[in-house]
Amino acid sequence: AQSVTQLGSHVSVSEGALVLLRCNYSSSVPPYLFWYVQYPNQGLQLLLKYTTGATLVKGINGFEAEFKKSETSFHLTKPSAHMSDAAEYFCAVTHAGIQGAQKLVFGQGTRLTINP
Amino acid sequence: ETGVTQTPRHLVMGMTNKKSLKCEQHLGHNAMYWYKQSAKKPLELMFVYSLEERVENNSVPSRFSPECPNSSHLFLHLHTLQPEDSALYLCASSQETGRPLYGYTFGSGTRLTVV
Repeated sequence: AQSVTQLGSHVSVSEGALVLLRCNYSSSVPPYLFWYVQYPNQGLQLLLKYTTGATLVKGINGFEAEFKKSETSFHLTKPSAHMSDAAEYFCAVTHAGIQGAQKLVFGQGTRLTINP
Repeated sequence: ETGVTQTPRHLVMGMTNKKSLKCEQHLGHNAMYWYKQSAKKPLELMFVYSLEERVENNSVPSRFSPECPNSSHLFLHLHTLQPEDSALYLCASSQETGRPLYGYTFGSGTRLTVV
């Protein structure tokens, strides 16, 4: 069964500093990996995804993530944090589900705080 | 506008009430999902519908009853809830062709408070 572990439930960085949110996955099959962002009182919005091909994927708002099979990781980074990046971030992996409707398995989330 | 609309945005109900949550998508997707998001807990998948048929029920108590009358609409009927059922309920949809290449599109959620 697939699973996701996000290291650190809270991360705090200064405005302009590097953002690094960690995600490790477990999967018995080649994974498809996703990062979602959730702003207060909102649903989840897709930031980026890895399916196949290039292991460094770029998403919206300047975020990117690199799939490292040897480390079973899919860490999310952004070179320079902005105040508007404050939100909760979720890593997710596909689950070997039922034909026709596959399930995403989510990590527990990481709350990102940006200090002025 | 995400393409998935949930109503109401907020709901306060007593433990003896009956209410329904509504989800609507106009993205042409063929799978829909209900998730429960509680404080300090991971997102919990409750129900999965594919082509309007329920394909998964993750041991959800019977006081939650889903309904999917067509591919664009999904309901969650609630009755005799408990205070611990207070949470953000998220609806999502996707276009499935075997694996979720495109991920899910989420609604903004319904914040449910059971008193």
